[in-house]
Amino acid sequence: QITLKESGPTLVKPTQTLTLTCTLSGFSLTTRGVAVGWIRQPPGKALEWLALIYGNGNKRYCPSLESRLTITKDTSKNQVVLTMTDMDPVDTATYYCAHRITARHWFDPWGQGTLVTVSS
Amino acid sequence: QSALTQPPSASGSPGQSVTISCTGTSSDVGGYNYVSWYQQHPGKAPKLMIYEVTNRPSGVPDRFSGSKSGNTASLTVSGLQAEDEAHYYCSSFAGNYIWVFGGGTKLSVL
Repeated sequence: QITLKESGPTLVKPTQTLTLTCTLSGFSLTTRGVAVGWIRQPPGKALEWLALIYGNGNKRYCPSLESRLTITKDTSKNQVVLTMTDMDPVDTATYYCAHRITARHWFDPWGQGTLVTVSS
Repeated sequence: QSALTQPPSASGSPGQSVTISCTGTSSDVGGYNYVSWYQQHPGKAPKLMIYEVTNRPSGVPDRFSGSKSGNTASLTVSGLQAEDEAHYYCSSFAGNYIWVFGGGTKLSVL
């Protein structure tokens, strides 16, 4: 059974860097054809795709946020890490990580999400 | 502003059918058969309901169906049930390794 679980701070201050970890279970990013993405959802608002990392190490980013995002993987820990710099209150959101198969353009399943609030 | 346009709300009575639209452009919805739909209950993670426009994952009731015409995709829920009340989001591949979501539609079962 594939599961993902997000972890990280619940509160960050403006201008700080956010680091979120997605711990994978039931699959590995060493498996051919697998990818993990990050998606966020501000309270009461729509989903927004942020970043994607493939098992071969290729990375893709939402163009409007690319300068602030870095996605990496730690295969020894079976984790994917997302960092976002220069956090702002508008970045307050629930951040989800989700499983994907390469060349399949949907996410399934998703982690439970983690709410990050940006406030001084 | 979301990349894909959905109506903010939709509703129907139990047993009825409801269709939710998702309008994009020829660069996303209209350009690829890579539209997916997600159901999200309050406080829960999104759940995949439809992929590649018309396909249902295992375990999703056949009351849920998807279609596409031009730049608009649609999700139809037939035989509405109380548990179908949720937010629904469409998503599409937009080329150049970019994926976009719709603004979401709150489906109410009256």
